[in-house]
Amino acid sequence: DGGITQSPKYLFRKEGQNVTLSCEQNLNHDAMYWYRQDPGQGLRLIYYSQIVNDFQKGDIAEGYSVSREKKESFPLTVTSAQKNPTAFYLCASSIQNSNQPQHFGDGTRLSIL
Amino acid sequence: SQQGEEDPQALSIQEGENATMNCSYKTSINNLQWYRQNSGRGLVHLILIRSNEREKHSGRLRVTLDTSKKSSSLLITASRAADTASYFCALMYSGGGADGLTFGKGTHLIIQP
Repeated sequence: DGGITQSPKYLFRKEGQNVTLSCEQNLNHDAMYWYRQDPGQGLRLIYYSQIVNDFQKGDIAEGYSVSREKKESFPLTVTSAQKNPTAFYLCASSIQNSNQPQHFGDGTRLSIL
Repeated sequence: SQQGEEDPQALSIQEGENATMNCSYKTSINNLQWYRQNSGRGLVHLILIRSNEREKHSGRLRVTLDTSKKSSSLLITASRAADTASYFCALMYSGGGADGLTFGKGTHLIIQP
C-alpha cells in the first residue's frame, strides 16, 4: 500500500545535539512538507519542497534544516539552535497541484532529555 | 498566511447526535479542506471544497462553503464513538499554493457513548 512513513515514532534529544527525523513516501508525489504541532495547536509549516534538490523555508524554519536528494525522502534535522524542540512533527506529501489534498505520516514525537 | 479559525474549540455530544463545526477565514481562498486527527496520529484528509463550490458530501459528512461570509461548516451526522478526534480546516489561499496549506487550531470533538 502507498503511504508516508515517519521514523522513529518517539525520539529523545540531549542538549546541544542534532537529531534527524526520517520521512519516506511511495506515493510518487513531487511535493513534501514538514509541520510542527504543539499541544492544542494547529500545524505550523517548517519547510517544504516542490521538487528534488529544491526546498523553501516555511513560517518557522529557524533551528531546522532539510534535504531533498531523492523524490521519496525528505529528512528533517532539528539542530541545537532550535531552543524549544519538544513537539509533534508531521511530514506530508501531495501531488504538485494546489487543488490536491495532502497525505500525512503518523508523526514523530520529539522530547528533550 | 493567516490561519482559519475553528469554532467551537471543543464539542461534546451524545452518540447518534449531529456535530457541527465551523471555520472562518479572512482572505480569498482557492480551496478549503477538512482533516481529522486521532490522538497521537497524523492527519487524514476528509473533504476538499473549491471556492466555486457551495456544498459537498462524503458519507456522513457534509461541508458547506460561503465565500461571501468567508466561512465553512463541517457537519457529521449520526455521530459514532469512532468520530472522536480533532478536526482541522486548512486553507489554500488564492495566488498561493507553493507553500501548501494553512491550518487552524482545530475543534476537539468528543462523542459520548
